[in-house]
Amino acid sequence: GAVVSQHPSRVICKSGTSVKIECRSLDFQATTMFWYRQFPKQSLMLMATSNEGSKATYEQGVEKDKFLINHASLTLSTLTVTSAHPEDSSFYICSAVGGVRNEQYFGPGTRLTVT
Amino acid sequence: KNEVEQSPQNLTAQEGEFITINCSYSVGISALHWLQQHPGGGIVSLFMLSSGKKKHGRLIATINIQEKHSSLHITASHPRDSAVYICAELNAGGTSYGKLTFGQGTILTVHP
Repeated sequence: GAVVSQHPSRVICKSGTSVKIECRSLDFQATTMFWYRQFPKQSLMLMATSNEGSKATYEQGVEKDKFLINHASLTLSTLTVTSAHPEDSSFYICSAVGGVRNEQYFGPGTRLTVT
Repeated sequence: KNEVEQSPQNLTAQEGEFITINCSYSVGISALHWLQQHPGGGIVSLFMLSSGKKKHGRLIATINIQEKHSSLHITASHPRDSAVYICAELNAGGTSYGKLTFGQGTILTVHP
């Protein structure tokens, strides 16, 4: 139980296009989901907190108009990277809080490459 | 300065060795996570603990709230344990519920 999926697992896109990443809690409801970014050889960096039915809370330095987050249901949050640039190339990981023990469960990550 | 400090940053061991990774944090916490990240990138939560000790298979995690210190031990290490181990403190206050602050990670390599 307590599985979180992400789709796609890998995506390559051209500079200037937008990319949507989905995060789903498969067998539990998650009122809160988190989006992280990880650059090579660095630790995870929290980008934003996504709460179902309300606006996401972004960490300092993260552009909310560039990284659009939608948490439309208790099992789905999406992150859209708009007008992607090569510097947005990174590993994006989501996590969801919920389950029987109300713990945080991580998705497998999405590797984004912007060419 | 990162509020969560891990040591060592890199650790190399021979198969079968007992391994310890340490984590110190600077402020009071609600709980502490130990996470494992394999080269493919996926993250697995190993433990979440707020006091005492937890054990799962060959993995043991301990925490000392007074000293603001936690350790992750691996007994009888195996090459498949090679991964990055990350400790993260959990903020359980108010609107920050569930927010984690991560250590920089410990890269563990176990040789056969």
